[in-house]
Amino acid sequence: GQQVMQIPQYQHVQEGEDFTTYCNSSTTLSNIQWYKQRPGGHPVFLIQLVKSGEVKKQKRLTFQFGEAKKNSSLHITATQTTDVGTYFCADYDYKLSFGAGTTVTVRA
Amino acid sequence: DTEVTQTPKHLVMGMTNKKSLKCEQHMGHRAMYWYKQKAKKPPELMFVYSYEKLSINESVPSRFSPECPNSSLLNLHLHALQPEDSALYLCASSQEGLLGYTFGSGTRLTVV
Repeated sequence: GQQVMQIPQYQHVQEGEDFTTYCNSSTTLSNIQWYKQRPGGHPVFLIQLVKSGEVKKQKRLTFQFGEAKKNSSLHITATQTTDVGTYFCADYDYKLSFGAGTTVTVRA
Repeated sequence: DTEVTQTPKHLVMGMTNKKSLKCEQHMGHRAMYWYKQKAKKPPELMFVYSYEKLSINESVPSRFSPECPNSSLLNLHLHALQPEDSALYLCASSQEGLLGYTFGSGTRLTVV
């Protein structure tokens, strides 16, 4: 798998606000998968993006794959306390390799 | 059944012990994986089994020995571990990698 960089490492969000986490690669990615890991939990698959420029939505979560397939983003609107956890992007190229993750905390 | 089941949930072992971690899935997935996750770090791939055969070993020390008895089971045999091997060990499975991995809840291993 290729190395993917995630920013920011930590995101502190006021409940109700929006935020975005980014995943970047220096080379073209085959596809990107996003996972969420709650504190004390295990990674849970959220979505995969395959096509250039692809946008997918899951309720308040919007996932995007860049036109050059070198970056991806996860945007969460109206953050809730249930959004707490670490969000990982992962490059799949015959094996799954995770970025460092963005750990999200929410202020009520 | 859409789960990956791992046992035990917690394990404390001495450096001279031999223990095994077990993983089971009944989703008919053809690939199974072992990952290691240290605190505040992403999961790191250790082994990949595809159709019950070891296809990837990410240069893991021989004190970790994987085994795939059948298409539903995956074991990780541990022997002469070091304290730095303490971590969360995650098992995962997938039908095709592009459809996402299903992770088990992990075994939290402490080596003393």
